[in-house]
Amino acid sequence: EVQLVESGGGLVQPGGSLRLSCAASGFTFNNAWMSWVRQAAGKGLEWVGRIKSKTDGGTTDYAAPVKDRFIISRNDSKNTLYLQMNSLKTEDTAVYYCTTGATIWGQGTLVTVSS
Amino acid sequence: DVVMTQSPLSLPVTLGQPASISCRSSQSLVDSDGNTYLNWFQQRPGKSPRRLIYGVSKRDSGVPDRFSGSGSGTDFTLKISRVEAEDVGLYYCMQATHWPYTFGQGTRLEIK
Repeated sequence: EVQLVESGGGLVQPGGSLRLSCAASGFTFNNAWMSWVRQAAGKGLEWVGRIKSKTDGGTTDYAAPVKDRFIISRNDSKNTLYLQMNSLKTEDTAVYYCTTGATIWGQGTLVTVSS
Repeated sequence: DVVMTQSPLSLPVTLGQPASISCRSSQSLVDSDGNTYLNWFQQRPGKSPRRLIYGVSKRDSGVPDRFSGSGSGTDFTLKISRVEAEDVGLYYCMQATHWPYTFGQGTRLEIK
């Protein structure tokens, strides 16, 4: 079964850090471009960033609100995508989804940034 | 960034009746490869997004044929020929031609 399962969400104070994971199964992960998308409560969807497959260079791209604070990485041997979130702000509070090709989505993990 | 503007934002529809959602982009979504990377997503309450349409008009596997997409350049439309109860939720257009990818604000479809 094709599946993405996020984990690592939780409550963190402003200025803190958190690392999300996304475990993939049922497809060839190392060939896939992977992305993180977030959604604040009652709000729309926002593309956070993406990482290309190593075959396509393995480079990353980020949306402006998270650039220089968030880092996307992947471990192809573990079929896992990561999102390292640093210098967190209250406006980063959202459900974070991982997705590939916008066709496969995880169930999301909630990140709450609050004091 | 490319701004995606949807209308209407709220769409009450009677069961069995058609529905239409418009999406306009602030710049052309035609890529240098000639393709137009415009997608439509459905998000049911409490669920993850689900892609319905890609490349303006191609339906994803398993998507009922009552859903159709059309348009070109900067103007796009999602149509539902006959709304069913399971269609309730939020609908988003999204462009993947220009980085960062961007979504419309979302249109809430409800049953009248």
